[in-house]
Amino acid sequence: GQQLNQSPQSMFIQEGEDVSMNCTSSSIFNTWLWYKQDPGEGPVLLIALYKAGELTSNGRLTAQFGITRKDSFLNISASIPSDVGIYFCAGQYSGGGKLIFGQGTELSVKP
Amino acid sequence: DADVTQTPRNRITKTGKRIMLECSQTKGHDRMYWYRQDPGLGLRLIYYSFDVKDINKGEISDGYSVSRQAQAKFSLSLESAIPNQTALYFCATSGQASNQPQHFGDGTRLSIL
Repeated sequence: GQQLNQSPQSMFIQEGEDVSMNCTSSSIFNTWLWYKQDPGEGPVLLIALYKAGELTSNGRLTAQFGITRKDSFLNISASIPSDVGIYFCAGQYSGGGKLIFGQGTELSVKP
Repeated sequence: DADVTQTPRNRITKTGKRIMLECSQTKGHDRMYWYRQDPGLGLRLIYYSFDVKDINKGEISDGYSVSRQAQAKFSLSLESAIPNQTALYFCATSGQASNQPQHFGDGTRLSIL
C-alpha cells in the first residue's frame, strides 16, 4: 500500500537547536496533518494544513503545505526535552476519511 | 485522548485464539477507524466506518474483521490470531466533514505467542 516518505527517520539534537523534518508523496493530497506520539500513547494532532502553500504555526512548531500538494515540512524551533517523541506526517485525499501515514521521525533531545 | 477509549490496553494471547479489541468514543463522531502500528512502518489502516453498519476495507484488512453496531462503538476482531499480528493497534474517530482531523485512542498492545 502507499506510504509517504518521511525523513529523517531519527534525529539526535541538543536542547535549544531547531529541527526540521519533511514528507513527500507521489500522490496529491487535499490535507496534510502532523501528529506527535509520546511513549504509551496515541498520536496527538499538532497542525492541520488545508491549502497548498499554507504556512501554519502552533507555538514553536511551524508546518507548510507544499505548493505541489505532494509534500509538507514541520519545523520545531528552540527544542526542549519534552519535544522528545515520534512525529508523523499524514496525508488525506479529497473527500476526507482515511489517512496515509509517513514512517515517523523519532526525535531525541539532549539537555 | 480520553474521549476515545480502547480496551484492553494490553493483551497477550496464543496463536489460533479469537481476539476482540474494543473502541468507544464520547465525541459524537460518525467516522471511526482501526490502524495498526509496527516499528518503522508508521500507522496502516485496517478498516474504517463512516456510519453505523457502514464498513470499508483499509490497506491491510486480511485476517481482521470489524463491527459497527452503534455510533459510539467500533470493534476489531482477529478470528484466528497469528504471530505477525503482534503490533500496537489504534482506534481513531473524526467528524463527518471531509476536513475534520482524526483523534486517536491510547492504543492496545497485542502480543501473539
